[in-house]
Amino acid sequence: NAGVMQNPRHLVRRRGQEARLRCSPMKGHSHVYWYRQLPEEGLKFMVYLQKENIIDESGMPKERFSAEFPKEGPSILRIQQVVRGDSAAYFCASCLLGGTEAFFGQGTRLTVV
Amino acid sequence: QKEVEQDPGPLSVPEGAIVSLNCTYSNSAFQYFMWYRQYSRKGPELLMYTYSSGNKEDGRFTAQVDKSSKYISLFIRDSQPSDSATYLCAMTTREGAQKLVFGQGTRLTINP
Repeated sequence: NAGVMQNPRHLVRRRGQEARLRCSPMKGHSHVYWYRQLPEEGLKFMVYLQKENIIDESGMPKERFSAEFPKEGPSILRIQQVVRGDSAAYFCASCLLGGTEAFFGQGTRLTVV
Repeated sequence: QKEVEQDPGPLSVPEGAIVSLNCTYSNSAFQYFMWYRQYSRKGPELLMYTYSSGNKEDGRFTAQVDKSSKYISLFIRDSQPSDSATYLCAMTTREGAQKLVFGQGTRLTINP
């Protein structure tokens, strides 16, 4: 049973480009969370999604960031017009509906140059 | 003031020592408390999950929650070099709600 899969593991983008981060939850999990980890900081909640629905996006920056979890396929975190401050590790976690444990992926490390 | 405060360390102890890791928090609505372990360049993995106040033991790990003091602890007995990692406390207000609030993480090294 594969765990939470994130790709790519490493992503380099120039300022102004778009970054797309993908997350495939564990089999049977219908809920996905995205967290961002800045250097020397803990994880910060960004968004909570279930298939075809955004439940809570209170942690998402108001501009340039968007997330989706379509009926088919992985969840996507999209960052438009990236800036250097977007450089961070982005982690996805999935859980069952009502589950108490969130399983994290290995993360995508975004570097903006 | 951060909702969850955790000393980032680094903390270095000899193999076999008892390790104590701690977090304080300010939001009295937090009910569920977790400890995650994160190895370098990896995702966090859940170590301990506790509800409300009290102790929970799992092998060499013991989690304590003191809601009156808004203080949680993780103890590691008979520490091993393989325990070297960053330990993150996390908490949330509702069971099943995985909108976790994390501490900064404490970097721990166990020296052989």
